Amino acid sequence: GAVVSQHPSRVICKSGTSVKIECRSLDFQATTMFWYRQFPKQSLMLMATSNEGSKATYEQGVEKDKFLINHASLTLSTLTVTSAHPEDSSFYICSATLGQLYNEQFFGPGTRLTVL
Amino acid sequence: SQQGEEDPQALSIQEGENATMNCSYKTSINNLQWYRQNSGRGLVHLILIRSNEREKHSGRLRVTLDTSKKSSSLLITASRAADTASYFCATRGNEKLTFGTGTRLTIIP
Repeated sequence: GAVVSQHPSRVICKSGTSVKIECRSLDFQATTMFWYRQFPKQSLMLMATSNEGSKATYEQGVEKDKFLINHASLTLSTLTVTSAHPEDSSFYICSATLGQLYNEQFFGPGTRLTVL
Repeated sequence: SQQGEEDPQALSIQEGENATMNCSYKTSINNLQWYRQNSGRGLVHLILIRSNEREKHSGRLRVTLDTSKKSSSLLITASRAADTASYFCATRGNEKLTFGTGTRLTIIP
């Protein structure tokens, strides 16, 4: 099946720094990529939807200037958490879909971000 | 919020027993999907059922969908220790995949 990777798997940073998380579709071209955030023992909450070459669409309540998303190619999307604070500590998961949006989404393994 | 609700929130059963999880949602859907997540890991897609389907099987998994009641169930038969995980339903509306609150399943050896 289609494989999605994320890098890094874990990152610890100091408050105020920026962190970049990469999401790659390894064996397919993803027309759309999604970024989710998951707090401990909670469900996944969609942060934004991005299509290659266009600006991301952010969900209500998600600050686009804080969570910068770049979808530069059909196989790579990046999420940059700018000026990170402890409350940004979370599990960030990306997913990608090929073809029509109604198809299956393939999820990355997630990135655990801890902001000290 | 359009997030679905799942029950139970947590379920512990003996290995070999069947596990049933339920999901309710609020809006009309195109399809409903079930995912498994092991602790601290990504999601694994289990099964997708379309809005015009009522039941679907995949190995030890059986999923039902009742669009009139806006509900779905996931049955895992003959459970194994490796089935211990969190299970999420997710509904597909127009574009977004909206996840339910999840059920934490523990299989006791």
